[in-house]
Amino acid sequence: QVQLVQSGAEVKKPGASVKVSCKASGYTFTNYHMHWVRQAPGQGLEWMGIIKSSGGTTIYAQKFQGRVTMTRDTATSTAYMELSNLRSEDTAVYYCGREYPDDYRPGDYWGQGTLVTVSS
Amino acid sequence: QSALTQPASVSGSPGQSITISCTGTSSDIAYYNYVSWYQHHPGKAPKLMIYGVTNRPSGVSNRFSGSKSGNTASLTISGLQAEDEADYYCTSFTTSLTYVFGTGTKVTVL
Repeated sequence: QVQLVQSGAEVKKPGASVKVSCKASGYTFTNYHMHWVRQAPGQGLEWMGIIKSSGGTTIYAQKFQGRVTMTRDTATSTAYMELSNLRSEDTAVYYCGREYPDDYRPGDYWGQGTLVTVSS
Repeated sequence: QSALTQPASVSGSPGQSITISCTGTSSDIAYYNYVSWYQHHPGKAPKLMIYGVTNRPSGVSNRFSGSKSGNTASLTISGLQAEDEADYYCTSFTTSLTYVFGTGTKVTVL
């Protein structure tokens, strides 16, 4: 069965970086795009970006450009989202979700979420 | 890219129908038929309820339906049940080749 298993909660200081992982199983990892979405406390869902199935091309939301890097390791079927220069507003639950190319059905499966807390 | 606009809350009694609107622009909802809807309980993974404006993934109740007119998409829940109480978000593909989420709507079953 399809599973996306994310790494555990993180606590970081302002200015630091965090790298969240999302390990896929139950399907061919390289056949699907991977989205990253977050939800800050009391806020709505926010789309951060996508890493595409073909060649790992990335597209980021303008808000995160310059601070976010999405990568993947096809050998271990794991996607990564790294966010740098963290500030308190980045405290959120981060989710990965897959999408079949040209299906425009983002997130038919999602990871369980990773809580990132930014605090001095 | 600004968030799509949804009402903050919608409520209804069991068995009733409710509709959640999602208003965008000519660069997203009006341009593409790539609107999806998610049910979300905070702290849990979102659940895809509708994609491609009107399509239901396998396993989603036919009480959930979607539509679109111009730059506004809508999610209708018919025969409202207690288990439908959750937050609901729309999302659309955009002409910037990105996605944008709606502001979210809290559905309360009275």
